[in-house]
Amino acid sequence: AQSVAQPEDQVNVAEGNPLTVKCTYSVSGNPYLFWYVQYPNRGLQFLLKYITGDNLVKGSYGFEAEFNKSQTSFHLKKPSALVSDSALYFCAVRAVNSGGYQKVTFGIGTKLQVIP
Amino acid sequence: NAGVMQNPRHLVRRRGQEARLRCSPMKGHSHVYWYRQLPEEGLKFMVYLQKENIIDESGMPKERFSAEFPKEGPSILRIQQVVRGDSAAYFCASSLPPTGGQETQYFGPGTRLLVL
Repeated sequence: AQSVAQPEDQVNVAEGNPLTVKCTYSVSGNPYLFWYVQYPNRGLQFLLKYITGDNLVKGSYGFEAEFNKSQTSFHLKKPSALVSDSALYFCAVRAVNSGGYQKVTFGIGTKLQVIP
Repeated sequence: NAGVMQNPRHLVRRRGQEARLRCSPMKGHSHVYWYRQLPEEGLKFMVYLQKENIIDESGMPKERFSAEFPKEGPSILRIQQVVRGDSAAYFCASSLPPTGGQETQYFGPGTRLLVL
């Protein structure tokens, strides 16, 4: 069974500092990995995904994530945090399948608080 | 370029009533997923549907919950005889047909169900 762990319930960072939101995964075979952001009382917005190729994936709003196969991690990063980045962040994983359907498994979410 | 639409955004029901949640997928998408979000529990998969077909309902409670995605019209998640424990945010996502897992799910704004 596939799973996602987001080890930190909350991450606090000062505005302008770099931020990292951690994610590790477990899946049979190779993974597809996703990051979503959820603002209060809103749905999830897609940020970025890793499919194949370059381990560093760039996404929306200046976010990027690095796939590390040996550590089974896909940490989300941003060089300089903004107060408006404060939100709930979800990591998700899906096993690679040559065809057909694979369920996506989401982490429990990490609350990011950017302090002015 | 309308995204995933859900209605109602907020729904209040008394115990024992029925709740109907609607989801219109993004234009061009024929695959719909329903998730439930409870505080402190993250996002839980419920069901995956194509038009006129349930593909995976492994996350659906066996009783009182049902889902459909008819040939015409939105997908419906139906909860019969609601109980207070059904209070949650219900999110719908849509995607293009599966392509080995690469496809991205796009989420609607959610329906927040409150059972009194």
